[in-house]
Amino acid sequence: DADVTQTPRNRITKTGKRIMLECSQTKGHDRMYWYRQDPGLGLRLIYYSFDVKDINKGEISDGYSVSRQAQAKFSLSLESAIPNQTALYFCATSDGTSGYEQYFGPGTRLTVT
Amino acid sequence: AQRVTQPEKLLSVFKGAPVELKCNYSYSGSPELFWYVQYSRQRLQLLLRHISRESIKGFTADLNKGETSFHLKKPFAQEEDSAMYYCALAGGYQKVTFGTGTKLQVIP
Repeated sequence: DADVTQTPRNRITKTGKRIMLECSQTKGHDRMYWYRQDPGLGLRLIYYSFDVKDINKGEISDGYSVSRQAQAKFSLSLESAIPNQTALYFCATSDGTSGYEQYFGPGTRLTVT
Repeated sequence: AQRVTQPEKLLSVFKGAPVELKCNYSYSGSPELFWYVQYSRQRLQLLLRHISRESIKGFTADLNKGETSFHLKKPFAQEEDSAMYYCALAGGYQKVTFGTGTKLQVIP
């Protein structure tokens, strides 16, 4: 299912570097989300956006920022990466008019050394 | 606040044995509950949602409002069921909260 894509798929970066993770979708959904997945902690919401002008913090937004460039694109930035941001990052979309089902991208594995 | 609890990090069962993955939630209103599954090296995908009352791949889940539970069940486990399972709750402000996940390991 290529409807939700993420780039890069894997990234190794050094502490203090700025990094951007990108998400694109062709599903036509208005809602987009960024999660991080850590062993034993499950999925935690970083940011979410209900449309281009509506961006909201999730439960763990500190150290992250986002940009909704268009309905189809939602980017996550780490301004100054730190090792505890090493995780698997997922983008997801949903159609706000037909319920809460979320469609996930393949994930980006980020390692901060 | 809305919360989802999956008490088991790992559940190991033998092939052909019954499976029950536990999920309890906390939410003051009427929640919408889901189970998502993540097979090895694949993306998360919706398995089932309580409002549809479907059986998907032999799995069922019943919402028990009295016990605030939404346990996932399957009568006979298959090897291909081995995966990570997440319970999720959609509640206020259209926010979705995921549990910490349970890894199901089906032993041949």
